[in-house]
Amino acid sequence: KQEVTQIPAALSVPEGENLVLNCSFTDSAIYNLQWFRQDPGKGLTSLLLIQSSQREQTSGRLNASLDKSSGRSTLYIAASQPGDSATYLCAVREAGTALIFGKGTTLSVSS
Amino acid sequence: NAGVTQTPKFQVLKTGQSMTLQCAQDMNHNSMYWYRQDPGMGLRLIYYSASEGTTDKGEVPNGYNVSRLNKREFSLRLESAAPSQTSVYFCASSEYGRTGYGYTFGSGTRLTVV
Repeated sequence: KQEVTQIPAALSVPEGENLVLNCSFTDSAIYNLQWFRQDPGKGLTSLLLIQSSQREQTSGRLNASLDKSSGRSTLYIAASQPGDSATYLCAVREAGTALIFGKGTTLSVSS
Repeated sequence: NAGVTQTPKFQVLKTGQSMTLQCAQDMNHNSMYWYRQDPGMGLRLIYYSASEGTTDKGEVPNGYNVSRLNKREFSLRLESAAPSQTSVYFCASSEYGRTGYGYTFGSGTRLTVV
């Protein structure tokens, strides 16, 4: 059974820092991996989607990498801002199934 | 705005009552999903529908039923609500596009069972 783990569970940084969020999964037979953002009391917003054949995706200050063979992905946030404060969720898609989520990393960026 | 619409946004039920959570998407997506989110547990799949006319159980289907009414709508029914079903429920839809399977989530339904 696929399990997705996110470390750390919570992270607090001062504004301007570069930071890395980690995601690991137990079964490397995935179709893709997706990073989401969730603000308190809100739904999920898709940030980046990496196909199993890809190594990384970039969007603005965000860069996500995927190492399928080792079962790991990282989300790099450059020059963090208070508006980046949210919970970041990693999810993988296997063949014929829906997304399987990690429990998330809650990020707090102080000004 | 295009997307996934869930109703209601908030609901309080008494134990044993029934209700249906509604979900509709206007993106012509084939696949739709129901998740629940609980503190410390993350999002867990309840049911999904790969295409109109099909439904399958997810990780936590007990106590729930679903109906894929048409391509746009996917409802979740609680026949006899229990306090353990207090949660935030999210509906999502997906379609294979240029960049792969993209998922769109609704804003959630906060359900409290007392």
